[in-house]
Amino acid sequence: DIQMTQSPSSVSASVGTRVTITCRASQDISRWLAWYQQKPETAPKLLIYATSKLQSGVPSRFVGSGSGTDFTLTITSLQPEDFATYYCQQANSYPLTFGGGTKVEIK
Amino acid sequence: QVQLVQSGAEVKKPGASVVISCQTSGYTFINDPIQWVRQVPGQRLEWLAWINTGNGNSQTSQKFRGRLTVTRDTSASTVYMELTYLRPEDTGIYYCVREGAPVGATFDHWGQGTLVTVSS
Repeated sequence: DIQMTQSPSSVSASVGTRVTITCRASQDISRWLAWYQQKPETAPKLLIYATSKLQSGVPSRFVGSGSGTDFTLTITSLQPEDFATYYCQQANSYPLTFGGGTKVEIK
Repeated sequence: QVQLVQSGAEVKKPGASVVISCQTSGYTFINDPIQWVRQVPGQRLEWLAWINTGNGNSQTSQKFRGRLTVTRDTSASTVYMELTYLRPEDTGIYYCVREGAPVGATFDHWGQGTLVTVSS
């Protein structure tokens, strides 16, 4: 199975600042990586697929990049509604696997 | 609009079985696979199974092989997941998800989740 390692596990940031989350795969997954946002008591929401493609309706401040084994999700200017937990997911091969999550908290 | 509506919360005893339904609407059911993902407290999201809603073919995580079955009813645009021989560690929220993103096995729509509690 492909292991997905996210860092940091939590980050405290202020509104308007730039936040970067990293995700590392245990083997090459090309660009088959997605990012999800989850707020308490709700299902995850797809933000980005295929490393950098923005899902319809997702603000452009969410930027994905990377390839191979190293990927990043950047929130270019953190907004109040962005405080949530973020997960990466590899879509390269089954079993599909997720990162452990990064909780973005208010500073 | 695309909707995935799951059946309600379940409380089960160890060793019992649970069936969760996922009724879809707002798109052509047979065009997009449905997958199942669970979220156990304190653990990361976990992929469980996948079903091709067109031909009924399915694939289950090795971890759950023999305990988990996914089926679909095309006339009702509904997918079912059955998990047998439940254990306390199966307690968590189970989500059905549509694999609808243009590229790759990623999930563009999620059900609301079904809480399964396994306790004696």
